[in-house]
Amino acid sequence: QKEVEQDPGPLSVPEGAIVSLNCTYSNSAFQYFMWYRQYSRKGPELLMYTYSSGNKEDGRFTAQVDKSSKYISLFIRDSQPSDSATYLCAMSVTGTSYGKLTFGQGTILTVHP
Amino acid sequence: ETGVTQTPRHLVMGMTNKKSLKCEQHLGHNAMYWYKQSAKKPLELMFVYSLEERVENNSVPSRFSPECPNSSHLFLHLHTLQPEDSALYLCASSQDNSPPFNEQFFGPGTRLTVL
Repeated sequence: QKEVEQDPGPLSVPEGAIVSLNCTYSNSAFQYFMWYRQYSRKGPELLMYTYSSGNKEDGRFTAQVDKSSKYISLFIRDSQPSDSATYLCAMSVTGTSYGKLTFGQGTILTVHP
Repeated sequence: ETGVTQTPRHLVMGMTNKKSLKCEQHLGHNAMYWYKQSAKKPLELMFVYSLEERVENNSVPSRFSPECPNSSHLFLHLHTLQPEDSALYLCASSQDNSPPFNEQFFGPGTRLTVL
């Protein structure tokens, strides 16, 4: 069993739709949960991180963590064509100590006008 | 130059060639990383350097040899590669031990093709 499972998609939605991206994990020691966005021919960039359980909102993006279910989500409201990218979830046991991250395989998202 | 830069951006090499990938970070960070990104697979951490010392080597074959001459530069020396080594190689850096969370900043990657 992979430590982190993420549906690779691809996911295609119309502009303005609400997008839901999800990951499940097996290691209950994970405490930091991240979402990275990777545009074509670019490296990943951090979108949001959450510590432990709960929700975090940043503009059109909301990250949710449910540690009891070992399930994390990223919601994108009013999706735009500029949101088209690969979204990677990542997790770590601690926030420091060289920040060892365990990644999901990424979900390819296309938002069409 | 800002952020994390990588050269070359694309590399095609034969199995008997020797080449090197270069990474430079302009962020004043003290930790640097090499990752491998293959299609439909999660990012795989290969090596971690902290304060120019290797602190992680994730069972990477010896045909990959990292070098960190200073805190701003990281190299990945390649020799006798296999076609399955074709992938995007990403470099990242972070400022370790600045709680509560160390964000890793990634370069654009080197797309490597081994023929």
